[in-house]
Amino acid sequence: QQQVKQSPQSLIVQKGGISIINCAYENTAFDYFPWYQQFPGKGPALLIAIRPDVSEKKEGRFTISFNKSAKQFSLHIMDSQPGDSATYFCAASTAGNQFYFGTGTSLTVIP
Amino acid sequence: GAGVSQSPSNKVTEKGKDVELRCDPISGHTALYWYRQSLGQGLEFLIYFQGNSAPDKSGLPSDRFSAERTGGSVSTLTIQRTQQEDSAVYLCASSLGRILRTQYFGPGTRLLVL
Repeated sequence: QQQVKQSPQSLIVQKGGISIINCAYENTAFDYFPWYQQFPGKGPALLIAIRPDVSEKKEGRFTISFNKSAKQFSLHIMDSQPGDSATYFCAASTAGNQFYFGTGTSLTVIP
Repeated sequence: GAGVSQSPSNKVTEKGKDVELRCDPISGHTALYWYRQSLGQGLEFLIYFQGNSAPDKSGLPSDRFSAERTGGSVSTLTIQRTQQEDSAVYLCASSLGRILRTQYFGPGTRLLVL
C-alpha cells in the first residue's frame, strides 16, 4: 500500500510557467514532509521541507503548500527553468524517522 | 566536507552470485538508510539504522537481503543468490537522526543481474 500518493507521473511546462506537483497521505502520524529533486545518475537531494504546523513555506522559486485537513501537500515551482528538469519526489516521515516516498514526477521544462 | 559515498558505482553480476554494496555516511550522522530504486520508480525503503538501536529491517524484501553497520559508521548491504529482479539502483542516505531529519543521499550503486 502506497503511503504517499504523488501526481502527476510526468509534467511538461513551458519556460517561465508554474509547475505544480501534488501529494496526498493518510497517516496522521506523519510530521515532516520533504521534497527531493533528482537528476539522472544522481541521488535525490533535499529541495524544501515543511512541518504540519505551517500552511506554506517558500524558498526562492520553490513553495510548499500544506493542507492538514485534506492531508495533501504540493510543490509549486514558479518561473520554471530548463535547469529544473528533473524527477521530483515528495516524502513523509514519522517521529520515528521512517520515511515514505511518492513514486516521483518527471518534470520537463521546454525552453 | 565529504558527502555520502557509495561503492561500487556500478556492479554487473550473474544470477545466483552474492554482492556487497558499501555506504560511507557523512561523519557524525547517526541515522543511515538503504533504499532501492527501480527504473522509473520511487524509492523503496529497505532498512534503517539509528545509532546503536536495533535496525528497522521491515523493508527488506526477502531473507536474501541483509545489512550491517559497523562501528556506527560504514554500512554494507549484502544480497545473496542474486536474481534478475534485484537489478536496480541501491541508494544510501544518512542524517543526524530524529531531531534533524534531512537525509543526504549518496550517488547510488547501479546493480545489474544478468
